[in-house]
This record gives sequence, structure tokens and C-alpha cells, in this order.
Amino acid sequence: QVQVVESGGGVVQPGRSLRLSCAASGFIFSNYGMNWVRQAPGKGLEWVAVIWYDGTKKYFADSVKGRFSISRDNSKNTLYLQMNSLRAEDTAVYYCARYRYSGSYFDCWGQGTLVTVSS
Amino acid sequence: QSALTQPPSASGSPGQSITISCTGTSSDIGGYNYVSWYQQHPGKGPQLMIYEVNKRPSGVPDRFSGSKSGNTASLTVSGLQAEDEADYYCSSYAGSRWVFGGGTKLTVL
Repeated sequence: QVQVVESGGGVVQPGRSLRLSCAASGFIFSNYGMNWVRQAPGKGLEWVAVIWYDGTKKYFADSVKGRFSISRDNSKNTLYLQMNSLRAEDTAVYYCARYRYSGSYFDCWGQGTLVTVSS
Repeated sequence: QSALTQPPSASGSPGQSITISCTGTSSDIGGYNYVSWYQQHPGKGPQLMIYEVNKRPSGVPDRFSGSKSGNTASLTVSGLQAEDEADYYCSSYAGSRWVFGGGTKLTVL
């Protein structure tokens, strides 16, 4: 079945870096754009970044621009989020979500991975 | 502060109907017919319920419907059932970025 599974979360000190991964299965990964969406504890959803199916276009939320990067390896069916210069306000569950160009929506989400930024 | 405004809570008895509003601007909801709604149960990832304002993915009951007028979108749940109790989030494309509402906690009394 169509599935995405996030990994790589953990506790990290402010200013340090962390890389998240999202393993996709059950669909042709290279045909779809992919996103990261995060949710701070007890808060709502916040879109973080998107990468086009072929990696040619990438867009970021203002809150992470210049600190986070998004990439993908279509040969490994895997999406990545490199997070640098982490701040306490980056603490959240990070979700990977498949993107549908026609209609501009997210139709498959993972269970998320928790990132805690704390000293 | 979220980009889209939703009421923090809503409630209804089994069998009743409820409507959740989602207000944005002409730069997001008002500018595109790309409004989607997501259901999230505690400890779970979000699930798509409505896309392109009023379309339902396969597997989503027809009790769920969506609409839009100007800068405000709405999600209606008819014939409330116990399993509908969850958080609901609206979202809109906003030109190379996406925005979400703060979420509405739906309680089935």
C-alpha cells in the first residue's frame, strides 16, 4: 500500500544540525512532489518545504529559509530534510507528505518523527 | 498565529451536522480553488478528507463535504458519528507555499 515513513528525529542542542529521512513505498516515488510539514507540541500544522518530483524546484517557509534544505534520492525512494542552526522553536513532529500537483494537496502522510531542540 | 483562521472547537450530537469555517485572504483561499481539509486523530498523522474545495478522495464518507465563498472555506460533517471526533485542519495553496489553519477540535457529544 501507499506509505511514507519518517525517521531521524531526536534531541539536539540549539545551533546544531539534524537530518530527517522519509522512506516511500507503494507508489512511483519519482512521479511525485514531496513535502515536509511540522507540528509543534499542542499546536497546528505548519508547511515547511516542498521539492518537485525531479528535484528541480524547491520552496521553503520563511521560518526555515536559509537554515533548512530539502533533497531526494529517487533511486532510493527517499526524501530528506537537512536542518541546520536549529532553534527551540523548531521543536515539532515533522511529517512527510506526498503532493498532488493537480489540485495542490497532500494525499499521503506519515506518522511523523519528533525533533526536540533543547540544551 | 496561523495564516488561516479556524474556530478552536466545535461540537455536535450523533446524527447532527456541524460546519467548520476557515477564513483566509485573497492571496490564499480567495485566490485559488485549492482548499483542502485534513482530519487528525490523537497521535496520528493527518488524513486527507477534502481537496479542491469540495472533492472527496475515495474512501472518505459522503457525510463530509466542502465549500467556499470568497475568502472563507467550510467543511460540513453530516450525520455525526463517534469516530468523527478529531482535529480538523484546513489548508490552501498560496503561491509557491501552503498555509494551514490553526485547527478545530471536533467533539461528538
